[in-house]
Amino acid sequence: EADIYQTPRYLVIGTGKKITLECSQTMGHDKMYWYQQDPGMELHLIHYSYGVNSTEKGDLSSESTVSRIRTEHFPLTLESARPSHTSQYLCASSENRASEAFFGQGTRLTVV
Amino acid sequence: QKEVEQNSGPLSVPEGAIASLNCTYSDRGSQSFFWYRQYSGKSPELIMFIYSNGDKEDGRFTAQLNKASQYVSLLIRDSQPSDSATYLCAVNREYGNKLVFGAGTILRVKS
Repeated sequence: EADIYQTPRYLVIGTGKKITLECSQTMGHDKMYWYQQDPGMELHLIHYSYGVNSTEKGDLSSESTVSRIRTEHFPLTLESARPSHTSQYLCASSENRASEAFFGQGTRLTVV
Repeated sequence: QKEVEQNSGPLSVPEGAIASLNCTYSDRGSQSFFWYRQYSGKSPELIMFIYSNGDKEDGRFTAQLNKASQYVSLLIRDSQPSDSATYLCAVNREYGNKLVFGAGTILRVKS
């Protein structure tokens, strides 16, 4: 069973607030990912990391930022939340480039 | 053209039948391929992975890979209503070293 955790599971927040979505894994995986998924829609990669101090933007442009100071931790930050940021955010990790990704339970964000 | 293409469905099959799900990819250098299942409102969970040309079987599931045709498929034998979900094909593309997902195929198994 995968050990990757996301908090909070659900978040309702007002426009203009700064938020940080947490993602932690205990598997020692180097690669970590953030995906955004609207209900019934496809997964879009918004950020990924190869390891500590390595982050790259994904295929879908996002106003969020990420950091990777520790191997196990890959938080995502929105400096000023907007209703257009309402979505589900999924964090995943994998051991190496060829191996499968394990997903956290996701954070469902609603910006009002 | 999307990097990973799947028919969105829905694909409807009767209980006990074989469900066949297909996926094509554009990056010829891709080396690893994955099938995930996602129930509504839940996170994707890995069903199978395949790296080499040919078939790979795991219980009721068989993954098939044809790198020359850039084609991956998933067969589900003896389909059950609990198999009803969205099935995502994922490819670890060589360029950019990223895991890219298709849009998914909705499968409905009718009892």
